[in-house]
Amino acid sequence: DSGVTQTPKHLITATGQRVTLRCSPRSGDLSVYWYQQSLDQGLQFLIHYYNGEERAKGNILERFSAQQFPDLHSELNLSSLELGDSALYFCASSPPSGGAYNEQFFGPGTRLTVL
Amino acid sequence: GESVGLHLPTLSVQEGDNSIINCAYSNSASDYFIWYKQESGKGPQFIIDIRSNMDKRQGQRVTVLLNKTVKHLSLQIAATQPGDSAVYFCAENGGSYIPTFGRGTSLIVHP
Repeated sequence: DSGVTQTPKHLITATGQRVTLRCSPRSGDLSVYWYQQSLDQGLQFLIHYYNGEERAKGNILERFSAQQFPDLHSELNLSSLELGDSALYFCASSPPSGGAYNEQFFGPGTRLTVL
Repeated sequence: GESVGLHLPTLSVQEGDNSIINCAYSNSASDYFIWYKQESGKGPQFIIDIRSNMDKRQGQRVTVLLNKTVKHLSLQIAATQPGDSAVYFCAENGGSYIPTFGRGTSLIVHP
């Protein structure tokens, strides 16, 4: 158990819908990262938050958005869902010390299925 | 653009053998490398890391080798066990907080 929690574990929805994925980082970690993992792709970085502020954006679609709240949990919002959005979505956190030289602790993921 | 890739998508070994998983990276500015293990249905899990000022680092049954001359990284697993069956990713940081992950190699250990 990495200490990172994600809910829900599974999510099945229809095209055009909107969903919210939730992540709670490890106690003491200020950074939260979101990744998408589909069958034919590796881990694709979406977005990084540090202590409530957006720090970096990767290949995140405009239909997707995220935020990190004062209690440091984070939510990833996916809207106007398409079949191709079906994937595993992982959240990871890392400790504040060490800067870029930090391992990331991954949550168990949310499996999103868009029908 | 810069990328990290794996040579072999699948590696099959017998229990007790040593396994070697390879990774090539193209960003010469990368100075931190990590190996992750991802078991079926789980998130990636840190195995071992290495900074560019080292060429070898050992953990418990695992060794990471870094060859900066040819931009190559390898993960060696000694006495491979069925529990080692998983997908292994290498990741590199070029000084940013965002690692770039390779495509992954599936390790299959036969009892």
